[in-house]
Amino acid sequence: ETGVTQSPTHLIKTRGQQVTLRCSSQSGHNTVSWYQQALGQGPQFIFQYYREEENGRGNFPPRFSGLQFPNYSSELNVNALELDDSALYLCASSWGEDFRTDTQYFGPGTRLTVL
Amino acid sequence: AQSVSQHNHHVILSEAASLELGCNYSYGGTVNLFWYVQYPGQHLQLLLKYFSGDPLVKGIKGFEAEFIKSKFSFNLRKPSVQWSDTAEYFCAVNAPYSGGYQKVTFGIGTKLQVIP
Repeated sequence: ETGVTQSPTHLIKTRGQQVTLRCSSQSGHNTVSWYQQALGQGPQFIFQYYREEENGRGNFPPRFSGLQFPNYSSELNVNALELDDSALYLCASSWGEDFRTDTQYFGPGTRLTVL
Repeated sequence: AQSVSQHNHHVILSEAASLELGCNYSYGGTVNLFWYVQYPGQHLQLLLKYFSGDPLVKGIKGFEAEFIKSKFSFNLRKPSVQWSDTAEYFCAVNAPYSGGYQKVTFGIGTKLQVIP
């Protein structure tokens, strides 16, 4: 196991609602990244936080937002849910000392279904 | 924008057969390359990675990958697969000069099924 946990495991929401997904990184890991993995696809980078600030973002709209806290926990918030937001959401943490060489440790994911 | 192509989406092999999974990326600069594996019911985990130096990289469980810069390829190999290698394999690339953060781009994945 990687020491990265995510909650909840599964979640069902309806279109237009808002959702918050949570991640607990390994202790000492200053960086957390979030990914969206649609069925049959590879993970897609949403954004990355380093020391509580967003320092990189993929091609996702502003209704995807996040927070990182000093206790190595983080959140992914999605507003105005759409059917296409149905996916597995993964968080990955790393030390953050060298963005080139850091190994990312992935959590088990949260399966979000939007009806 | 960087992209990753994995040519085989579903591979079925018998135990002891040799494995090669293809991966090509599109990015002209310096890249860091990864193979991740996801065993059934488990987390995505790192199999091996390449940053610099010897283009032949050895990973866990007897896997290796070769970086061929001229072909923009990073193929995964194993001389003799076992039933326990049944999993989904993802190739990924990180372009390090993306504003100082680690934006990893993944391929679509290859499902490997090993038949005893």
